[in-house]
Amino acid sequence: DQQVKQNSPSLSVQEGRISILNCDYTNSMFDYFLWYKKYPAEGPTFLISISSIKDKNEDGRFTVFLNKSAKHLSLHIVPSQPGDSAVYFCAALTMEYGNKLVFGAGTILRVKS
Amino acid sequence: GAGVSQSPRYKVAKRGQDVALRCDPISGHVSLFWYQQALGQGPEFLTYFQNEAQLDKSGLPSDRFFAERPEGSVSTLKIQRTQQEDSAVYLCASSRLDQGGEKLFFGSGTQLSVL
Repeated sequence: DQQVKQNSPSLSVQEGRISILNCDYTNSMFDYFLWYKKYPAEGPTFLISISSIKDKNEDGRFTVFLNKSAKHLSLHIVPSQPGDSAVYFCAALTMEYGNKLVFGAGTILRVKS
Repeated sequence: GAGVSQSPRYKVAKRGQDVALRCDPISGHVSLFWYQQALGQGPEFLTYFQNEAQLDKSGLPSDRFFAERPEGSVSTLKIQRTQQEDSAVYLCASSRLDQGGEKLFFGSGTQLSVL
């Protein structure tokens, strides 16, 4: 039972354009959401997060939007750069599960120059 | 070291062999997690330590999996009688207590291949 779903295995975007990565979840108890970025042969690194009491969080080129009623969040990268090419994981937290993250399967982003 | 260190980087085991995977967390980090990442999937939680206490082992897939952190620093994940389905990347992560996901630092992982 996948509680966090990233339905797009991959995404290809031209440099300078917007990248939009999507994530859906099923557990309404999730109250904190995070995006991690992973380069090959490295561990995931934290990118940006959002609390369930907010609908938007922005950090430089990265913005995360949360739609609680739809149980959907998205990560926007504007403008996209070749160095953004990586695997992006959506993850969620709930006090119900303590402090363990529940991850989606990831989306491979390729930014073409 | 500056980050979470895992060893070995790669491990090839014959089916039925026992393996031990090591994690050196960031100095001072109280919380330590182990995750398993199968090919094409996201990391899945295995177990959680707070200092030397294993507070959650609900994600360990079978009694062949065992983790310890005897002195509250280095941790070892042991897999007995390895099976092909154990092939995955095993990720270790650490954080200060109660700092949440943003302050979770992952190691580069150990890629285990069971033949």
